[in-house]
Amino acid sequence: QEQLVESGGGVVQPGKSLRLSCVASGFTFRSYAMHWVRQAPGKGLEWVATISFHGSDEFYADSVKGRFTISRDNSKNTLSLQMNSLRAEDTAVYYCARLLFSDVAAPMGPLDCWGQGTLVTVSS
Amino acid sequence: DIQMTQSPSSLSASVGDRVTITCQASQDIDNFLNWYQQKPGTAPKLLISDASNLQAGVPSRFSGSGSATVFTFTISSLQSEDIATYYCQQYHTGLNFGGGTKVEIK
Repeated sequence: QEQLVESGGGVVQPGKSLRLSCVASGFTFRSYAMHWVRQAPGKGLEWVATISFHGSDEFYADSVKGRFTISRDNSKNTLSLQMNSLRAEDTAVYYCARLLFSDVAAPMGPLDCWGQGTLVTVSS
Repeated sequence: DIQMTQSPSSLSASVGDRVTITCQASQDIDNFLNWYQQKPGTAPKLLISDASNLQAGVPSRFSGSGSATVFTFTISSLQSEDIATYYCQQYHTGLNFGGGTKVEIK
């Protein structure tokens, strides 16, 4: 069974850091580009960041560029999101998601496998 | 940046009704357009990829069409289990989502 499980969410003060993790199982993790997508309470979906399947290419939304870093450890089937200088507007459920297509150079596309999400609350 | 505008933002329809949602891109995105269903408290689910490709296991009452800048998502006969918010998503340039359409039962 293909599965993504996020962890690391919690309550953090503005300006502080948090690291999210997403552990994959049931599929060949190293063959898929991976994404982080977030959803603020009561709001729509917002793409956050993408990493290619080999980990060499990273892409970020303007709203997080320079503050967030996406990374992956293919030996541990783990995707990470390091979030620094957090702001109140970063409060959201953070989902990791997998690209539909495997072993493709283009990392953007349909996202067919999602985790259950982890809630990050930035508040003093 | 490509802007994705969904309409309506919400709708109410009866069981058995035909429901149509529109997604308009601010520039030509070819067919790089996907549709998702999100039920409350759960992660989004991919229903349709590349404008019209129904994903395996998705009921045939769901369909998508369009190209370039205007796309439509249709539920041919609304069922109670279709109550959800639906999102379009483009990946022609980067990746971003429309604002969502909340579908409710009348």
